[in-house]
Amino acid sequence: GQQLNQSPQSMFIQEGEDVSMNCTSSSIFNTWLWYKQDPGEGPVLLIALYKAGELTSNGRLTAQFGITRKDSFLNISASIPSDVGIYFCAGRGAGSYQLTFGKGTKLSVIP
Amino acid sequence: DAGITQSPRHKVTETGTPVTLRCHQTENHRYMYWYRQDPGHGLRLIHYSYGVKDTDKGEVSDGYSVSRSKTEDFLLTLESATSSQTSVYFCAISKGQGQNTEAFFGQGTRLTVV
Repeated sequence: GQQLNQSPQSMFIQEGEDVSMNCTSSSIFNTWLWYKQDPGEGPVLLIALYKAGELTSNGRLTAQFGITRKDSFLNISASIPSDVGIYFCAGRGAGSYQLTFGKGTKLSVIP
Repeated sequence: DAGITQSPRHKVTETGTPVTLRCHQTENHRYMYWYRQDPGHGLRLIHYSYGVKDTDKGEVSDGYSVSRSKTEDFLLTLESATSSQTSVYFCAISKGQGQNTEAFFGQGTRLTVV
């Protein structure tokens, strides 16, 4: 089946720093989604991407759909303590109802 | 918040007993999904439904069954619970494919099998 490699697995950053994380796929995806999960909660959708090369922002968050359609990137600018959580990428291949999820990037922000 | 309610939110059960988890939506979305989340594995799809009485298996379906008799309800049943099924279970809904593929998640059910 389709597999997603998400990196890094975890990161510790200082408040105010920028953050980058990415996902790569073994196959082509038509849709990339980025979620954030807080402890004890379900994942919450941050950004959705539907076209190769697409760059979309949501406040301090920016995500890109890679040109090869096999990767996606999420950047967070000027991190704040409430950015702490686990970030997941998810992708959907052509003709599929299903989303495949990465294993997540755990973000810790040091005040 | 997407109108998704999972019940129960927490459950402890004994090995070998049947368990049913419920997902209820008020969005009238066609597609519903059950995922499990475990450390080191992320979210893995158990079963999904693409309409009333239309269901299919995901990547980790062994030991689980589902039913969808109404658009708004999707039930996940563990026929005979095992310790390996201790996990956090999430229900998700989506309108469909393409631009409507965004999935929205419930708050999860933490299941412990002892």
